[in-house]
Amino acid sequence: DTEVTQTPKHLVMGMTNKKSLKCEQHMGHRAMYWYKQKAKKPPELMFVYSYEKLSINESVPSRFSPECPNSSLLNLHLHALQPEDSALYLCASSQDPEGSTEAFFGQGTRLTVV
Amino acid sequence: GDSVTQMEGPVTLSEEAFLTINCTYTATGYPSLFWYVQYPGEGLQLLLKATKADDKGSNKGFEATYRKETTSFHLEKGSVQVSDSAVYFCALSEGYGGSQGNLIFGKGTKLSVKP
Repeated sequence: DTEVTQTPKHLVMGMTNKKSLKCEQHMGHRAMYWYKQKAKKPPELMFVYSYEKLSINESVPSRFSPECPNSSLLNLHLHALQPEDSALYLCASSQDPEGSTEAFFGQGTRLTVV
Repeated sequence: GDSVTQMEGPVTLSEEAFLTINCTYTATGYPSLFWYVQYPGEGLQLLLKATKADDKGSNKGFEATYRKETTSFHLEKGSVQVSDSAVYFCALSEGYGGSQGNLIFGKGTKLSVKP
């Protein structure tokens, strides 16, 4: 199983809503990542979790709040977003944060903020 | 900081044509290099990778060779198919001790293959 599963696939939310994106992998990977991809742009790293601890936050606004409840799950909590936050949010995982194994990406959640 | 530059698209080819997408990088250390592919409406799939100089990555008829002397990792395929139509991203990660999920991407090249 080399799958990273993201839910939901699509999400429309208002600027006052609170929602969460979910990511799950059962490959025993110990590093998990959130990326943001705007239309016709490359993905940009947001957060890295290494052994369930936040190791990198790329100066992401606090309206995005990541959480790693266990080694298989990664959440991204959203609150008071702006329309410019509309994007494809991609989750990825890799086996070892310090090693040389490739990252596997999920299909993404397409978020629209209205 | 580290960066990746890849040729701007879109690239339009006829089926069975030869494909080259150029990619060069700037890095202070010894990065690993990747090509990812993104089909419309989908996430990213790893196409191939190379972790050290002179390594050749290959998959599904695509190839790329890690050239340290020219800091390049150009993607090639001898005969493209309509099903290869997608956006291709060149990417790097920090080398030894760095996570290969912490990626820096090029801007992407959209490939369209016509029958």
